[in-house]
Amino acid sequence: DTGVSQDPRHKITKRGQNVTFRCDPISEHNRLYWYRQTLGQGPEFLTYFQNEAQLEKSRLLSDRFSAERPKGSFSTLEIQRTEQGDSAMYLCASSRVGTSYEQYFGPGTRLTVT
Amino acid sequence: GNSVTQMEGPVTLSEEAFLTINCTYTATGYPSLFWYVQYPGEGLQLLLKATKADDKGSNKGFEATYRKETTSFHLEKGSVQVSDSAVYFCALIADGANSKLTFGKGITLSVRP
Repeated sequence: DTGVSQDPRHKITKRGQNVTFRCDPISEHNRLYWYRQTLGQGPEFLTYFQNEAQLEKSRLLSDRFSAERPKGSFSTLEIQRTEQGDSAMYLCASSRVGTSYEQYFGPGTRLTVT
Repeated sequence: GNSVTQMEGPVTLSEEAFLTINCTYTATGYPSLFWYVQYPGEGLQLLLKATKADDKGSNKGFEATYRKETTSFHLEKGSVQVSDSAVYFCALIADGANSKLTFGKGITLSVRP
């Protein structure tokens, strides 16, 4: 069963450092989403791709955040100059166009900024 | 803007009790509505969905009916099991929202044997 995978599962970094997370979607899925979840809250949408095109970015995604999906397969989310407020669980999900209501989520990457 | 409001938790029930988790929403047009579940140590999973008014979504003994008149999508189960212990999230995709999910805060359900 090849579901959505994310790497790393946990990341601890010092404030000011850059971090990069990877998401591998289900292979036939052409839509990929990033969400952020803080403690006690539901996930919040950050951005999404259809194939390699980034079609929407949330206002939550400051200039320090950048996401790519260079070949329409895996995606990376980079945070530059991390701040303590960036500490959260970063979730990736994927779906097929036409069945976008059915988003399959990965296990998430938990980021702790010290 | 679009939003989802869930009842405050946590909720603790005895096995075989009846479960209701309230969810109301604010959105223009006709959103699609979802319940997602997160079991301990696992990722979010779609539990059930309803895409138009009066539709009933159901799965694993859980049900929820899309009520346009009350803008609600309450989750129910007639007899909960210990294995239902998890965090439950109500969510919506609004019209024209490019399939991005808007989630409620989630509620933790604990079921005692």
